[in-house]
Order: sequence, then C-alpha cells, then structure tokens
Amino acid sequence: DTGVSQDPRHKITKRGQNVTFRCDPISEHNRLYWYRQTLGQGPEFLTYFQNEAQLEKSRLLSDRFSAERPKGSFSTLEIQRTEQGDSAMYLCASSSHDSGGRSSPLHFGNGTRLTVT
Amino acid sequence: AQKITQTQPGMFVQEKEAVTLDCTYDTSDPSYGLFWYKQPSSGEMIFLIYQGSYDQQNATEGRYSLNFQKARKSANLVISASQLGDSAMYFCAMREGRDSSYKLIFGSGTRLLVRP
Repeated sequence: DTGVSQDPRHKITKRGQNVTFRCDPISEHNRLYWYRQTLGQGPEFLTYFQNEAQLEKSRLLSDRFSAERPKGSFSTLEIQRTEQGDSAMYLCASSSHDSGGRSSPLHFGNGTRLTVT
Repeated sequence: AQKITQTQPGMFVQEKEAVTLDCTYDTSDPSYGLFWYKQPSSGEMIFLIYQGSYDQQNATEGRYSLNFQKARKSANLVISASQLGDSAMYFCAMREGRDSSYKLIFGSGTRLLVRP
C-alpha cells in the first residue's frame, strides 16, 4: 500500500492554457474523490467516482472542469482555459465503500498545487 | 450557513502539554460522522480520528481523543502530551447521511504550533 499518489506536485501555467492532473488511489479502494483547497481554507468537494462512474459533481465544478476515471483505477482532472481563480491545491482522496454502506475514512494524496499566472 | 465551524485560527501549546481544538457543526440529519484531519506543511491530509453520531462513547486513537457533545453539536479534538511534530493545520470535517456520497464538508482549520 503506497497511499494515494498525485502527479504533478506543482504546476505553473499561463491563463488560458489547459492542464491535467493525475491521481492514483489506493489500489483496493473503489471510491475516488477530488477536492480543491484555496489558501487558508479547508478542502471543498468537487466530484467523486465509484469505480468508473462519476456519481456526483459540485456546483464548483464549472464546465471548464472535467474528471474521468476510465478503468476504475486512476483518475484525471482537466481544467480547460485556466483562470487565475483556479489557482489552488487540488487534492485527491480514495476510500473503500461496501454494499452494506460501510466506508473507510478518506485517504488523501499530497495534492497538486496549481498556479495560474 | 456554515456546516462546520472552527473558531480558532491559531493555537499555541507547550510541548508535552494537552491542547483542545474546537469544532462545532450544524446538521439536521440524525446520521452523520465527524472526522479530524491533520495537514502538515507537505500538504497531505492525514486522518486522525472518527466519531459516528450514534456512537455512545467518545472516540480515542492514541494521543488523540474526540470530546463529542451531541446536544451542543460540538466535536472537539484533544491532543495529549503534545509533540513538536504535532505542529500543523487541523481540520474538522463532517459526513452527512448513511447512503450518501460520503463526501466530507470541512471547516476552515486551526493552525497548531507546539513550542519546545
């Protein structure tokens, strides 16, 4: 168990460019979450997957944001036409959730820090 | 309305002493869970402790304990015998419902600094 892995750790991009982040969850975890954290705030929920299905998206996830988890393992988060307001830490988390409704705590990765100039 | 309120932006504690970090929550759902996470400067969110709304006893995990007062809707984290490595941001979070997405709602955090 190597934990949740996120790549890259840091990304600097110019406004208007597209960026893509990757998250590799803990291998036996079927749920994967994306959160955004701005300076001085707690993380805010963006979206989550159960296996390959994206089951919920926050209002924070504008149409410039898209997330995928094609094979139910790793996930990507793409931001198109980045804006300065997108500058934040993007955190990925995973958990195991069984059919009985039991869920493990969320395990987070180290995050990807995005700076839009 | 804020679901999770952490009123202490920053706290100091002397090494080896105990410290309490405050958290109050707001929900109308009878089934919920409360979590505490630690975020060091490296950025990773580290799970510390969990309390279910139906749990009869306060949760404990090593030096961490959760002072759960349901009627007051508070879930304060107590860290005993503070260590220098405890210096970090601490976030209280809540999960609502049994069959929900299990997404967490976080407070704004408390920065703890342990003095040698």
